[in-house]
Amino acid sequence: DTAVSQTPKYLVTQMGNDKSIKCEQNLGHDTMYWYKQDSKKFLKIMFSYNNKELIINETVPNRFSPKSPDKAHLNLHINSLELGDSAVYFCASSHGGDAEAFFGQGTRLTVV
Amino acid sequence: GESVGLHLPTLSVQEGDNSIINCAYSNSASDYFIWYKQESGKGPQFIIDIRSNMDKRQGQRVTVLLNKTVKHLSLQIAATQPGDSAVYFCAENMSPNSGYALNFGKGTSLLVTP
Repeated sequence: DTAVSQTPKYLVTQMGNDKSIKCEQNLGHDTMYWYKQDSKKFLKIMFSYNNKELIINETVPNRFSPKSPDKAHLNLHINSLELGDSAVYFCASSHGGDAEAFFGQGTRLTVV
Repeated sequence: GESVGLHLPTLSVQEGDNSIINCAYSNSASDYFIWYKQESGKGPQFIIDIRSNMDKRQGQRVTVLLNKTVKHLSLQIAATQPGDSAVYFCAENMSPNSGYALNFGKGTSLLVTP
C-alpha cells in the first residue's frame, strides 16, 4: 500500500483554469503538508495542516487553497492558474514535529 | 531569513568509493535534521535523521554528522553504488508556528560512475 498518494501524477492545463490535486495518507499521521519544487529542484513549504489548524507560507498566493475533508486527506485547489505555477507539487505527512515526513510521488503541473 | 544550504551542487564519485555531502544551516534553534534522497520522477525519500542532542548517527551504509558549533551537517555514504545516484537534500524542522514543516537545502546531485 502506498503511504502517501497523490493524483494526478501529471497535469497539463491552460492559463486561467482552476484545478485540484488530491492527496491521501494511510499512515495515521496528524499533520499534512504541501510543498512546491521548482525547476531548480528547490523544495519550499506551502501549507501545513494539523488538527484543523492551517499554517500558510506567507509567500503563497491566495489562489492556492488546501482543503481537508478528513484527517487522511489534504487536497490542493488552485484558481486562475498562471504560467509561473508550473512546478512539481508534493504532498507529505508526518506525526507532528521532530518526525520524518513521508512524501507522495509528486504532481507535475504544466500551465500553458 | 534563516536558510539551509549546501556547499557543492554536484558530486561525482566512482562506484565503491565513499561519498560525503555537506550542508550548512543558519538557524541555531533547529533541533532536528533529516537527509532525503530524491530519484528522478519520485518524491523525496527519508534516509536518516539526527537530533541536536547527538553529533553522529549511523544507518545502513550511511552516517550523518552534526557539528552544532559551526552549524554543519554532513551525510556520508559508504561504498557508493550506482543506485545511490540521486539528488540529496538536507532539511531542518521549522518552528511549531510553522507547523513543523521542513526547511530544505538546495540539493546536491550525486552521480556514481562505474
